[in-house]
Amino acid sequence: GQQLNQSPQSMFIQEGEDVSMNCTSSSIFNTWLWYKQDPGEGPVLLIALYKAGELTSNGRLTAQFGITRKDSFLNISASIPSDVGIYFCAGQLGTGGFKTIFGAGTRLFVKA
Amino acid sequence: GAVVSQHPSRVICKSGTSVKIECRSLDFQATTMFWYRQFPKKSLMLMATSNEGSKATYEQGVEKDKFLINHASLTLSTLTVTSAHPEDSSFYICSARVIQSTGEAFFGQGTRLTVV
Repeated sequence: GQQLNQSPQSMFIQEGEDVSMNCTSSSIFNTWLWYKQDPGEGPVLLIALYKAGELTSNGRLTAQFGITRKDSFLNISASIPSDVGIYFCAGQLGTGGFKTIFGAGTRLFVKA
Repeated sequence: GAVVSQHPSRVICKSGTSVKIECRSLDFQATTMFWYRQFPKKSLMLMATSNEGSKATYEQGVEKDKFLINHASLTLSTLTVTSAHPEDSSFYICSARVIQSTGEAFFGQGTRLTVV
């Protein structure tokens, strides 16, 4: 079945630093989504990407949908302590009711 | 974004009993809802796709008789864990897709199930 490879698994950074994480897959997806999950909560949608090559920003977050439709990255600029959490990429198929496959997650730690 | 409410947020039950978890889309209609299971420090594992008015589609390895899904209306899907065992203890999360959207799905808050 479809699988997403998300890296890195975890990151320890200093407040103010920029962060980059990415996802790759052997499958083509119609949509790429990036979510953030805080402990004990459901994931919250950060950015949705719909077209190959699309570059989208949401505040300090920027994400891109790879040209091949098999990869995506998320950048966080000038990190702050509240950026701490787990970030998941998710690839969505256009069929099967838009079934969404999640990456393993990147656990971000920000030191003030 | 759209709001999805999941209830209860936490539940403790005895082995052998059944537990029902509700997932409601509060301000939109959802023809499709998804149920996930998440183990500690792990990713979300899709269990099943719930379609309003029809039978749910279960992922490989997920027992349909164990995890009963009912999607009776455009705003409500329920997951019932039947004859619960301690190994069913987990974090269960639902998501709902907005009708005729480009596919964005919004998540509930999750339900922490503990079977003792």
